[in-house]
Amino acid sequence: DAGVTQSPTHLIKTRGQQVTLRCSPKSGHDTVSWYQQALGQGPQFIFQYYEEEERQRGNFPDRFSGHQFPNYSSELNVNALLLGDSALYLCASSRWEGLNTEAFFGQGTRLTVV
Amino acid sequence: TQLLEQSPQFLSIQEGENLTVYCNSSSVFSSLQWYRQEPGEGPVLLVTVVTGGEVKKLKRLTFQFGDARKDSSLHITAAQPGDTGLYLCAGAETSYDKVIFGPGTSLSVIP
Repeated sequence: DAGVTQSPTHLIKTRGQQVTLRCSPKSGHDTVSWYQQALGQGPQFIFQYYEEEERQRGNFPDRFSGHQFPNYSSELNVNALLLGDSALYLCASSRWEGLNTEAFFGQGTRLTVV
Repeated sequence: TQLLEQSPQFLSIQEGENLTVYCNSSSVFSSLQWYRQEPGEGPVLLVTVVTGGEVKKLKRLTFQFGDARKDSSLHITAAQPGDTGLYLCAGAETSYDKVIFGPGTSLSVIP
């Protein structure tokens, strides 16, 4: 089992550009959540996808959008990049098991906006 | 708005010492989770606590969920350099809610 895999691992973009990050969930998991983690801070919830639909969303602007595919993999898209979007972007996958639902994280994508 | 606070923010101790880190909120959580994150990696789940007053032990780590399910603590006995990392607490008000994270406690164990 490969666990949660994210690509690319590192990315450098210019302000104003658009970026797409990818996530493959752990085998057997059907839910994918995306988080943004700035340096020295805890992860901030961006949104969660289940059955190819956005189920929940955090306090992020519409520049942040996503998609989930029939094979449960997911993409995070960020438009009109700002310097402040530089962060580690984490993907977590899970399968609902009530209170004992456990999320497994990928290693993250380090995005640098210059 | 759900908010999780953690203390201390930074902790540097000598190998062999004991330590406790805290996670607090004004909200009631259905469950709380503790993760450890190493530089350049994603968080790794250590434990989930779901019952008020619950205590769970994982080798040298002891986790406690407050009776009111608003706070939690992590106690490490005889810390080792391998315990170094960012300790994050996370929780959700219900099992269907988004999971939010605290800011983390950065632990450094000096040999």
